[in-house]
Amino acid sequence: NAGVMQNPRHLVRRRGQEARLRCSPMKGHSHVYWYRQLPEEGLKFMVYLQKENIIDESGMPKERFSAEFPKEGPSILRIQQVVRGDSAAYFCASSRGQNTDTQYFGPGTRLTVL
Amino acid sequence: QKEVEQDPGPLSVPEGAIVSLNCTYSNSAFQYFMWYRQYSRKGPELLMYTYSSGNKEDGRFTAQVDKSSKYISLFIRDSQPSDSATYLCAMRDNYGQNFVFGPGTRLSVLP
Repeated sequence: NAGVMQNPRHLVRRRGQEARLRCSPMKGHSHVYWYRQLPEEGLKFMVYLQKENIIDESGMPKERFSAEFPKEGPSILRIQQVVRGDSAAYFCASSRGQNTDTQYFGPGTRLTVL
Repeated sequence: QKEVEQDPGPLSVPEGAIVSLNCTYSNSAFQYFMWYRQYSRKGPELLMYTYSSGNKEDGRFTAQVDKSSKYISLFIRDSQPSDSATYLCAMRDNYGQNFVFGPGTRLSVLP
């Protein structure tokens, strides 16, 4: 039973380029969460999605960031026109349901913006 | 005041010691409490999950929740070098869709 999968594990972009981060939830999980972790800081919630729906995007920056979870395929976190401050580890988590279910994390994508 | 606070450490203990990791929080509506362990450059892995107040034990790990004091703890008995990691507490209320994480405490268990 594969866990949460994320790719790429490492991503290097130059300022102004686009970054696409992918997340495949655990089998049987239909809820996906994206978090950002800066060095020496805790996880900061960004967005919560179910298939084809954004449920809560209160943690997403208003510009340049978007997320989707299509009916088929992985969830994608997209960062347009990246800046150096976007450099961080981005973690995806999934759960079977909401409310009482716990979240299981993927290994993360480390984004470096040059 | 941050919503969830943890002593950032680092905390260094000798092998075999009992470790106490703690979080305090400000939102009295939090009902679900988790502890995650995160090794360097890895994703967090769930260690313990408790609902409301009380204790929960799993092997060498014990989680305690004191809602009256807004204080949760994770105890590690007979600590091992393999326990060296960052420990994150997380919590949420009955209605929130997402968890609020503490900043993490870095633990080093020295052989």
